[in-house]
Amino acid sequence: KAGVTQTPRYLIKTRGQQVTLSCSPISGHRSVSWYQQTPGQGLQFLFEYFSETQRNKGNFPGRFSGRQFSNSRSEMNVSTLELGDSALYLCASSSRTGDNSPLHFGNGTRLTVT
Amino acid sequence: GEDVEQSLFLSVREGDSSVINCTYTDSSSTYLYWYKQEPGAGLQLLTYIFSNMDMKQDQRLTVLLNKKDKHLSLRIADTQTGDSAIYFCAESDNSKLTFGKGITLSVRP
Repeated sequence: KAGVTQTPRYLIKTRGQQVTLSCSPISGHRSVSWYQQTPGQGLQFLFEYFSETQRNKGNFPGRFSGRQFSNSRSEMNVSTLELGDSALYLCASSSRTGDNSPLHFGNGTRLTVT
Repeated sequence: GEDVEQSLFLSVREGDSSVINCTYTDSSSTYLYWYKQEPGAGLQLLTYIFSNMDMKQDQRLTVLLNKKDKHLSLRIADTQTGDSAIYFCAESDNSKLTFGKGITLSVRP
């Protein structure tokens, strides 16, 4: 079974631009979560989607948004990029929502904002 | 709120056992996890334990949970150089994971 796939692996953007990251969950998984990893703040929860609905959201500004499609694939968007948005963005999928199944992570998208 | 604490660095000799510790604060966590991250990679799920269990063994990995003290540990038997990585513990609350800062495990020959 293929794992969680994230594209692209690397992105370089300029301040003020916007970016869209993509995540394909493990086949059959319906829950997709996004996390940001930085050296200073560590791993922080962004949001979770299940059945195309956002179930949970972390403490990030409204510039961070996401969506989930009917095939469970998910995208996250960051608008008006700031230097501090440079991070590794990780997507995770699980078969169910709630605390009923473990999260499996992809290899991430490394975003650099210049 | 939730908080997960880990030490930052551990060095062990190849063949020895490694013990990584973690404390957490959310007593309502259903699952507690251990993830491994190698350079340039994402998080690899190593193992997890239900909060109503005390111990879980999976090949070279042993997880111990002391719910009273909110203490979680991961023991890696016969540590190999390929085990060198950053290890994160995490507690879950309604699908949201709260991670520790991660401990760097260095295995020396």
